[in-house]
Amino acid sequence: GNSVTQMEGPVTLSEEAFLTINCTYTATGYPSLFWYVQYPGEGLQLLLKATKADDKGSNKGFEATYRKETTSFHLEKGSVQVSDSAVYLCALTKWPGGSEKLVFGKGTKLTVNP
Amino acid sequence: DTGVSQNPRHKITKRGQNVTFRCDPISEHNRLYWYRQTLGQGPEFLTYFQNEAQLEKSRLLSDRFSAERPKGSFSTLEIQRTEQGDSAMYLCASSPRGGTGELFFGEGSRLTVL
Repeated sequence: GNSVTQMEGPVTLSEEAFLTINCTYTATGYPSLFWYVQYPGEGLQLLLKATKADDKGSNKGFEATYRKETTSFHLEKGSVQVSDSAVYLCALTKWPGGSEKLVFGKGTKLTVNP
Repeated sequence: DTGVSQNPRHKITKRGQNVTFRCDPISEHNRLYWYRQTLGQGPEFLTYFQNEAQLEKSRLLSDRFSAERPKGSFSTLEIQRTEQGDSAMYLCASSPRGGTGELFFGEGSRLTVL
């Protein structure tokens, strides 16, 4: 079945450090890939997405590139801020070839210290 | 507030009792999803509706769990004869007709079974 594997957390960084959170997937066909973010006390919200190979999703300084050859969708940010502290979840879906049902990784908790 | 609304936000109950959670999706969203999230894990899919039709149920959804969306608007998730293993955050999400692949999540309903 479809699955997502994320790097284990938690991750602790200093402000302005470079961030990478690894995500790899197993799926049949051509899934769409997502990063969701969960800030403390808030619901999950979409951070960025990519729907086909070599697409790059970007938002709020975060980027991720859909790499079919390595089945990966690693999240990166060049300079993190304290406000980026949150849980980050990688996910895949069969959409647009199916429903938007998401299969999530376990999540990676990021803490950014001033 | 026009986001996805979930009630109650937190429910504490004794083992063996029944509980019901309600989800009000974003107006005009025709698809509605239920997920369960336990500590340190990503959300796991439970079921989804398109309008009032329940189109898919996970094997995680045992006979004690039932979900309804009678008029294609709000949805309820009922857990009968709760067990301690049911303690989790129950998340609801919705998506619009046509869709972009994005799910819009509520803040969740936390269940604690004593």
